[in-house]
Amino acid sequence: TQLLEQSPQFLSIQEGENLTVYCNSSSVFSSLQWYRQEPGEGPVLLVTVVTGGEVKKLKRLTFQFGDARKDSSLHITAAQPGDTGLYLCAGQTGANNLFFGTGTRLTVIP
Amino acid sequence: NAGVTQTPKFQVLKTGQSMTLQCAQDMNHEYMSWYRQDPGMGLRLIHYSVGAGITDQGEVPNGYNVSRSTTEDFPLRLLSAAPSQTSVYFCASSYQAGETYEQYFGPGTRLTVT
Repeated sequence: TQLLEQSPQFLSIQEGENLTVYCNSSSVFSSLQWYRQEPGEGPVLLVTVVTGGEVKKLKRLTFQFGDARKDSSLHITAAQPGDTGLYLCAGQTGANNLFFGTGTRLTVIP
Repeated sequence: NAGVTQTPKFQVLKTGQSMTLQCAQDMNHEYMSWYRQDPGMGLRLIHYSVGAGITDQGEVPNGYNVSRSTTEDFPLRLLSAAPSQTSVYFCASSYQAGETYEQYFGPGTRLTVT
């Protein structure tokens, strides 16, 4: 089993604050994906990072893949209530083989 | 284009009963997967398929069967339900995008086994 640990498990912040969540593993992944899941729905893919050290930006969200391709971070600038949800990272090791982290549950308070 | 659809949305079973969770996709994706999501454990892969007629086991396959007779459908069968199978089940379809696979998830089936 490829273990992916996410931290923090829970995060509650005020609107406008910045935050970073982390996804760490001892395993090397060929790529890493971030998903956001809202209550009662399935996860929705936000981004895929493939190259060690890669940084991708999606509006106020910045994703980084570690140089060794074992870890990743998600930084949100000026968080908004619409950012509330469960953020999941998932590491890919082979064809269609994804291992999910346990998630960070983010609440942004207006 | 409905994406990935799952039925039913909710289900309550008694221990020992069997049932089939339905999953369909209309995106012509080759790959389909079933996951279960439990509190504090993330999503775990049950079974997956790389194309019609081909299935394989994931991380937690015991107690579940799958078949893939068409590209569109990928049903998950619980043979004899147990309380440990109480969970939220997600079906996903995916396609290869360069070096990675982009997955699209259905809305889930919340199953309770009493």
